[in-house]
Amino acid sequence: EAGVAQSPRYKIIEKRQSVAFWCNPISGHATLYWYQQILGQGPKLLIQFQNNGVVDDSQLPKDRFSAERLKGVDSTLKIQPAKLEDSAVYLCASSLVGASAGELFFGEGSRLTVL
Amino acid sequence: AQRVTQPEKLLSVFKGAPVELKCNYSYSGSPELFWYVQYSRQRLQLLLRHISRESIKGFTADLNKGETSFHLKKPFAQEEDSAMYYCALMGYSSASKIIFGSGTRLSIRP
Repeated sequence: EAGVAQSPRYKIIEKRQSVAFWCNPISGHATLYWYQQILGQGPKLLIQFQNNGVVDDSQLPKDRFSAERLKGVDSTLKIQPAKLEDSAVYLCASSLVGASAGELFFGEGSRLTVL
Repeated sequence: AQRVTQPEKLLSVFKGAPVELKCNYSYSGSPELFWYVQYSRQRLQLLLRHISRESIKGFTADLNKGETSFHLKKPFAQEEDSAMYYCALMGYSSASKIIFGSGTRLSIRP
């Protein structure tokens, strides 16, 4: 079974530039999550989708971050304009619904450095 | 509000010694608790969840609702247990979002 795929693995940009991350979840997983993990901290939930609808985006800085999940499969997370404090690893995860909802399958992450 | 607290950033023990990684939570209701692990150069993955009541790789965790804790334990540490461990909580609401603690790095000394 293929795992969660993310790209790019690494990205270096200057502040005020824009960046986009892509995620392909495990086939059949209805729920998709984007987490931000700053060095030395735990993953922080940015947005949660179920199919192509947003379930929770309360922690997403909507003035600069946006995310979409077209057709309920792949997802993109965009940052525009980037700030220094956005330097982090962006993790995508997916899960089934129901009794297995708590088992998240993570991608390798996209490491962003903002200079 | 949901919150997960892991008070130790680093825990270092000798091989063969007992291990206890602490996790406390705050949630108004009955949440589901998990332990996730990230080994070096690997993805974050589920280790165990409290409802399954399983022992995984010798680790167990008991949910103590009175103390709002979900500590991870292993009686005899092995070198391959060295990793980052994250406690996580899922609340039972329409969102069922999963939040993580800040993590504890477990280092097993030979």
